[in-house]
Amino acid sequence: GQNIDQPTEMTATEGAIVQINCTYQTSGFNGLFWYQQHAGEAPTFLSYNVLDGLEEKGRFSSFLSRSKGYSYLLLKELQMKDSASYLCAVMDSNYQLIWGAGTKLIIKP
Amino acid sequence: GAVVSQHPSWVICKSGTSVKIECRSLDFQATTMFWYRQFPKQSLMLMATSNEGSKATYEQGVEKDKFLINHASLTLSTLTVTSAHPEDSSFYICSARDQTGERETQYFGPGTRLLVL
Repeated sequence: GQNIDQPTEMTATEGAIVQINCTYQTSGFNGLFWYQQHAGEAPTFLSYNVLDGLEEKGRFSSFLSRSKGYSYLLLKELQMKDSASYLCAVMDSNYQLIWGAGTKLIIKP
Repeated sequence: GAVVSQHPSWVICKSGTSVKIECRSLDFQATTMFWYRQFPKQSLMLMATSNEGSKATYEQGVEKDKFLINHASLTLSTLTVTSAHPEDSSFYICSARDQTGERETQYFGPGTRLLVL
């Protein structure tokens, strides 16, 4: 079956760096998405990786290894507003999104 | 495994026809479901919140007479795009809120790709 795994919850300190991992097993691969979702709001798009390697966008970076079925989202210089859920989603061979359950990130002062 | 399903996965239709998309929660009962639209590499845009047994709540700018939502049971919400036009072509994603566990969780469906010719 198809499966996306990411940690349920993580805690980090303001100003620090945190890495949120995502592993996947899907039928085909057409890219991996990371979204940020604050409570009560719609998910906002953070990144899209379809080729191996690191994509950097400001304080956020996303890495993909297709051979390992693995991605991570790296958040630097953490701010209190980064407290949110982070969703990993893979687009399979039918262009359907397979969603992870999300990682709740708690930032402490 | 998937806990929220959508049907159909793909729809291609002629302009002027109506299209119904189903969203089902498979392992839990959901009093609240959400409908989103997504354009390529963009954020999900919330269209409406579907509440079981009552009228849906639509976001500003979303025509309720065009996008009919029916939350008939605790496991099923439907979105009907009435008189679809090419500009309605998009990726429609639903989600369902699971409030049964210790932590409230929102599960997303796989999406329905609509192409209006």
